[in-house]
Amino acid sequence: ILNVEQSPQSLHVQEGDSTNFTCSFPSSNFYALHWYRWETAKSPEALFVMTLNGDEKKKGRISATLNTKEGYSYLYIKGSQPEDSATYLCASNSGGSNYKLTFGKGTLLTVNP
Amino acid sequence: NAGVTQTPKFRILKIGQSMTLQCTQDMNHNYMYWYRQDPGMGLKLIYYSVGAGITDKGEVPNGYNVSRSTTEDFPLRLELAAPSQTSVYFCASRPLTDSYEQYFGPGTRLTVT
Repeated sequence: ILNVEQSPQSLHVQEGDSTNFTCSFPSSNFYALHWYRWETAKSPEALFVMTLNGDEKKKGRISATLNTKEGYSYLYIKGSQPEDSATYLCASNSGGSNYKLTFGKGTLLTVNP
Repeated sequence: NAGVTQTPKFRILKIGQSMTLQCTQDMNHNYMYWYRQDPGMGLKLIYYSVGAGITDKGEVPNGYNVSRSTTEDFPLRLELAAPSQTSVYFCASRPLTDSYEQYFGPGTRLTVT
């Protein structure tokens, strides 16, 4: 079983703060690392999919980096807004398969106005 | 495109009853997945399919069955419902190529009492 770990489990920040979360994963048999944003009562939506060591991706105020050699990824949110409040899920391939994902338990972000 | 659709949205079952959760995608995706989401546990893979006629077990398949007779449909069957199957169920799909991103349906909330 592939273990994908996320930290912190939950996070409260004030509007305007910048923040970041961590995802760690086994680096062997790696294919891709996914970040999903999951709002309450909705379904997860993909933010980023990264495949190469050193990948950096950005979407508005949110960015992510990938280190496949040491097995971690960071997700950054600059100038957090209340609408950023959600659970952020990290997922990676499992068992050497490029079509099955193992998800972490997520980081619940709450942005206070 | 409607994307990934799931029915029903909510269901309450008595112990021992059976039901089928429906999942349909109109994106001509080869890969389809069923996950369950329990509080604090992230998403666990139940079953997946790499194409019509092909299915395989995920991490938590006990108590469930699936079929994939067409590319579009991937129903999940619960034969003898148990309280441990109380959960939110998500169906997802992914194209054969591209960026490996998975697209999720809106979920089915199932309670077994």
